[in-house]
Amino acid sequence: GQQVMQIPQYQHVQEGEDFTTYCNSSTTLSNIQWYKQRPGGHPVFLIQLVKSGEVKKQKRLTFQFGEAKKNSSLHITATQTTDVGTYFCAGRPLNRDDKIIFGKGTRLHILP
Amino acid sequence: EAQVTQNPRYLITVTGKKLTVTCSQNMNHEYMSWYRQDPGLGLRQIYYSMNVEVTDKGDVPEGYKVSRKEKRNFPLILESPSPNQTSLYFCASSLSGYNQPQHFGDGTRLSIL
Repeated sequence: GQQVMQIPQYQHVQEGEDFTTYCNSSTTLSNIQWYKQRPGGHPVFLIQLVKSGEVKKQKRLTFQFGEAKKNSSLHITATQTTDVGTYFCAGRPLNRDDKIIFGKGTRLHILP
Repeated sequence: EAQVTQNPRYLITVTGKKLTVTCSQNMNHEYMSWYRQDPGLGLRQIYYSMNVEVTDKGDVPEGYKVSRKEKRNFPLILESPSPNQTSLYFCASSLSGYNQPQHFGDGTRLSIL
């Protein structure tokens, strides 16, 4: 079935290092959303990408949507302790208004 | 304040005892959904509703029921809970489907003994 693979599952980085998580879909997507879940918290919407090849930035976070609209990435520059949490991507398959597929998430740990 | 409210936040109960987790949103959102989150499995959709009186199964609907009689409320019903339904549950809403950001509630941690 349709699925979105997200890697890595876990990542430990030293504070100040960069971090990247990747999502790869088995099917072409209409859009992809990214969410962050702090430990003990609930997922919080970060951003949505819609266009092929789109790149969006939020301060130290850079989001990309692949040209084929089947993959996406989130890159954090110079991580801080506030970046700790699990990052999820969620994609809507093309022509499926009723379906969203979440990746399993990447849990980011920051070592001080 | 715009929010999605779930109750209860925590519940420990026994196998077979019917329970309801309520979800309410004050943003006039059309779309609402229930997810369960388990370690290593991420978020899996249980049921969703595109609008009042319209509900559809997600990926893991077995053992659950929902209703959408009013726009703001979307309760999750476990008629006969079993231990494999022990999980963290999230309700979410969005203005209109998956083209809009989903707003999540704080979660309900259910333990079925």
